[in-house]
Amino acid sequence: DSGVTQTPKHLITATGQRVTLRCSPRSGDLSVYWYQQSLDQGLQFLIHYYNGEERAKGNILERFSAQQFPDLHSELNLSSLELGDSALYFCASSHTQGADEAFFGQGTRLTVV
Amino acid sequence: EDQVTQSPEALRLQEGESSSLNCSYTVSGLRGLFWYRQDPGKGPEFLFTLYSAGEEKEKERLKATLTKKESFLHITAPKPEDSATYLCAVKTGNQFYFGTGTSLTVIP
Repeated sequence: DSGVTQTPKHLITATGQRVTLRCSPRSGDLSVYWYQQSLDQGLQFLIHYYNGEERAKGNILERFSAQQFPDLHSELNLSSLELGDSALYFCASSHTQGADEAFFGQGTRLTVV
Repeated sequence: EDQVTQSPEALRLQEGESSSLNCSYTVSGLRGLFWYRQDPGKGPEFLFTLYSAGEEKEKERLKATLTKKESFLHITAPKPEDSATYLCAVKTGNQFYFGTGTSLTVIP
């Protein structure tokens, strides 16, 4: 158990809908990273937050947004969902925004039908 | 452009047959290189962090090494339970860049 909690574990929704994925980082970790992993692709970096502030953005679609709250949990919002958004979404946390390792949650499997 | 390349894509080994996985990288301002293990449908599990060329880390049957351009994950006398995808990542700036992984299958 990495200590990073993601909910829900599975989500099935229709095209055009909006969903929110939630991540609780390890106790004491200030950094949260979001990744998308599709079947035919590796881990694609979406966005990084540190202590409530956005620090880096990857190839995140405009339909996607995220935030980190004062209690350090983070939410990833996906809207106007398309079939191609079906993937595993992972959250990872690390203590700082430095060179320390990140620990991953078990992911949310999103299926868009 | 920052890049991480892993090879081979897939590797099948007999139980006890040692081998190495490769991770080559071209990044500016490397802050650290990380190895993870991922089982199907699960989140990546942290294995090692390496910070500077010449550094080595060891854990059970796994040993990670780092040079200025690449890292190796050596697997000694693997067992079937070592079957997984092994991911390499580098950190530069505020991002982790992941390779696409090596899928390892160890046959009893």
